[in-house]
Amino acid sequence: AQKVTQAQTEISVVEKEDVTLDCVYETRDTTYYLFWYKQPPSGELVFLIRRNSFDEQNEISGRYSWNFQKSTSSFNFTITASQVVDSAVYFCAQHSLNTGNQFYFGTGTSLTVIP
Amino acid sequence: GAVVSQHPSRVICKSGTSVKIECRSLDFQATTMFWYRQFPKQSLMLMATSNEGSKATYEQGVEKDKFLINHASLTLSTLTVTSAHPEDSSFYICSARVPSTGGFWPQHFGDGTRLSIL
Repeated sequence: AQKVTQAQTEISVVEKEDVTLDCVYETRDTTYYLFWYKQPPSGELVFLIRRNSFDEQNEISGRYSWNFQKSTSSFNFTITASQVVDSAVYFCAQHSLNTGNQFYFGTGTSLTVIP
Repeated sequence: GAVVSQHPSRVICKSGTSVKIECRSLDFQATTMFWYRQFPKQSLMLMATSNEGSKATYEQGVEKDKFLINHASLTLSTLTVTSAHPEDSSFYICSARVPSTGGFWPQHFGDGTRLSIL
């Protein structure tokens, strides 16, 4: 079965601190995709990154970085030098061709960056 | 890039009203669209898969007679919440699958519809 776990329900950090959001996934598929989305209070989902299961290279995009560890089934997301605008709910998600293309979302981590 | 338009963004109506939500793919044809529901402070849960020209596939526990889905064209899927009640108040998000010749079919999400039933 597909499952995505985000153990951190809420995190608060002070501006400029670094913060890591954890994501652990379960799947029996060999080919799958992992995502991170940002959901600000307005509700829309903002795409941040997609990773396929064959690419374990870590990625950095500005203040954002992602650490994909297949051995531990984790896909963690780090925000460096956090800003107030980073305050949002962040969802980790998994997508697989074998499961009808639907997304399986984690329960989300609510991040509050305190000025 | 591919864009999905969802309308309306917010609906407030009385109990017993039926509400229609539209999901449009603006610059691509989407044979498959998905409808998700998100209750406050919870995750997004798939309600149904909408396939153009055929009946939608509903997830377990989702009443198909309550949530009518119509995917009559390659760019439009509609979700109608029939005889809505306060417990149907939620955030509804659609996504549309972008055709691809590769192994991965991208999906793009609409901006969501916040439904409040009084």
